[in-house]
Amino acid sequence: RKEVEQDPGPFNVPEGATVAFNCTYSNSASQSFFWYRQDCRKEPKLLMSVYSSGNEDGRFTAQLNRASQYISLLIRDSKLSDSATYLCVVKAAGNKLTFGGGTRVLVKP
Amino acid sequence: EPEVTQTPSHQVTQMGQEVILRCVPISNHLYFYWYRQILGQKVEFLVSFYNNEISEKSEIFDDQFSVERPDGSNFTLKIRSTKLEDSAMYFCASSVQGHGLSNQPQHFGDGTRLSIL
Repeated sequence: RKEVEQDPGPFNVPEGATVAFNCTYSNSASQSFFWYRQDCRKEPKLLMSVYSSGNEDGRFTAQLNRASQYISLLIRDSKLSDSATYLCVVKAAGNKLTFGGGTRVLVKP
Repeated sequence: EPEVTQTPSHQVTQMGQEVILRCVPISNHLYFYWYRQILGQKVEFLVSFYNNEISEKSEIFDDQFSVERPDGSNFTLKIRSTKLEDSAMYFCASSVQGHGLSNQPQHFGDGTRLSIL
């Protein structure tokens, strides 16, 4: 089983619509969770950290379900600039970040 | 906003040659990392570095790889004898804290594209 698993997509989303997707992780000792976004051939950029109680940052909402070992990201009122690959990232007690393969989102006018 | 900077942006090297990739982490950060991303694949952890020593490394980080912080600002990754399969994007990252329950995120540089011929 992959350490961090994501639906690769693409999710084709009309501008203004809502899109949501999940990721699952296999290591029950994982402690920290993040969503990064990556544009084509660019570096991963932190979108948001994910907290146990769930958290929101503008149009983005992240949820964590430790029992089922999954994390979700919801994007409301999608903009064309939201088109990117969204990386689910997990950290256990050490230093290393473990990345999922990414979910590609394409927002279309 | 402070950022991680990497040089060069693109490095082309003959197989078997040594290559050094350079990074300047964010100035108040204490933990430094190297990751790589082979084209079309996921980002993979290579190594983390704290207090002038390696704190964690992956199976990818074999004897051909080394890291160094030669002065107060630079953090380098050296590949001693490059192979074709070393072709990838290499990202440097840094964070304020690293270990344990820290939720401090890692901030990435814009990468060095390494092409081995």
